[in-house]
Amino acid sequence: GEDVEQSLFLSVREGDSSVINCTYTDSSSTYLYWYKQEPGAGLQLLTYIFSNMDMKQDQRLTVLLNKKDKHLSLRIADTQTGDSAIYFCAETESWNRDDKIIFGKGTRLHILP
Amino acid sequence: DADVTQTPRNRITKTGKRIMLECSQTKGHDRMYWYRQDPGLGLQLIYYSFDVKDINKGEISDGYSVSRQAQAKFSLSLESAIPNQTALYFCATSGGVGQPQHFGDGTRLSIL
Repeated sequence: GEDVEQSLFLSVREGDSSVINCTYTDSSSTYLYWYKQEPGAGLQLLTYIFSNMDMKQDQRLTVLLNKKDKHLSLRIADTQTGDSAIYFCAETESWNRDDKIIFGKGTRLHILP
Repeated sequence: DADVTQTPRNRITKTGKRIMLECSQTKGHDRMYWYRQDPGLGLQLIYYSFDVKDINKGEISDGYSVSRQAQAKFSLSLESAIPNQTALYFCATSGGVGQPQHFGDGTRLSIL
């Protein structure tokens, strides 16, 4: 079945850029998402990209998609302490009625002072 | 006010008890979902519903049941709770095929 893989932990110094990587197996993926989960809260949609796009930028966030390698990344510029959270990569197919979103296990981003 | 509201936020109960977790939404979405989250395992889909009369099992539905009382309400029940159902439970909604899911803040459930 479909799978989404991401590393479990990432440590970054405050002010540096964070890059969180994700790989997926479903070649029919059409929507790819990044969610952020802060302690005690639910998942908050950060951004998403359609599979016909290579890049999407939104303020400090840049999403890069390499469809050939099935690789998605999220870059956070000028990382702040408020960016400390778990980040989930997810994908779905837009043509499938049962459009279950497949989530990765999440990457915990730790900010070093 | 939150668009997706879960109650209760926290619950501690004993093995064998019946528990209901409730979810209501003001987003007007037809699609609703229940997930559980365990440390290191990410999110696992329990049940999902595309409208009031369309309910489907997810990957880990055993031991759980759901009820879609209205478009805005989707409840999850544990008929006879067991300790390995201790987890964080999330409700989510979606506006349609390919649309992102919007999550509630979760219910932390502990079964002793």
